[in-house]
Amino acid sequence: SQTIHQWPATLVQPVGSPLSLECTVEGTSNPNLYWYRQAAGRGLQLLFYSVGIGQISSEVPQNLSASRPQDRQFILSSKKLLLSDSGFYLCAWSTLTGGAYEQYFGPGTRLTVT
Amino acid sequence: DAKTTQPNSMESNEEEPVHLPCNHSTISGTDYIHWYRQLPSQGPEYVIHGLTSNVNNRMASLAIAEDRKSSTLILHRATLRDAAVYYCILRGNSGGSNYKLTFGKGTLLTVNP
Repeated sequence: SQTIHQWPATLVQPVGSPLSLECTVEGTSNPNLYWYRQAAGRGLQLLFYSVGIGQISSEVPQNLSASRPQDRQFILSSKKLLLSDSGFYLCAWSTLTGGAYEQYFGPGTRLTVT
Repeated sequence: DAKTTQPNSMESNEEEPVHLPCNHSTISGTDYIHWYRQLPSQGPEYVIHGLTSNVNNRMASLAIAEDRKSSTLILHRATLRDAAVYYCILRGNSGGSNYKLTFGKGTLLTVNP
């Protein structure tokens, strides 16, 4: 069965510090991968998605970047965090199953920028 | 992206059926209707999806109107663990829209014991 891992679970970082969040998927090949952010009291916002190694699409201009160095690894980074980067970061994966592309989400990383 | 409209909140009693409505009057012929739910402090969880016909799975049933302009997620017997925000989402079927889900505000379901 498929499993998605995210770490760390929680993170407190000062403004201006770098960020690296990692997501890995097990039990599937060539998944589509996604990064979402949910700010406090807000809805989920799609940040990036990837349909293959090295292929990244950005949905919103921002202080973040994403990379996919391996088939089942997706990394979210920032060189200098802003207060507005605080939120709940979720990684998700999907594959084409009967045309559905249903997405499966990881446990999330709660980031607080101080 | 075609939009969906859901009530902000609904209440139900435990062990009673719950019908969560969603309006999507601008749905295109190839849009899939997806439902996800998000429990407190967790990531969203896929519930069910459909295109034209009603669908059933172990979690819920999805009833789709004949003109596809609305749908209803049915929880047959609500439990306290079903308390969550329920999202109704239209997923496109061409190009990059195959991959993207646009989450709205959803419906906050409260289940009373």
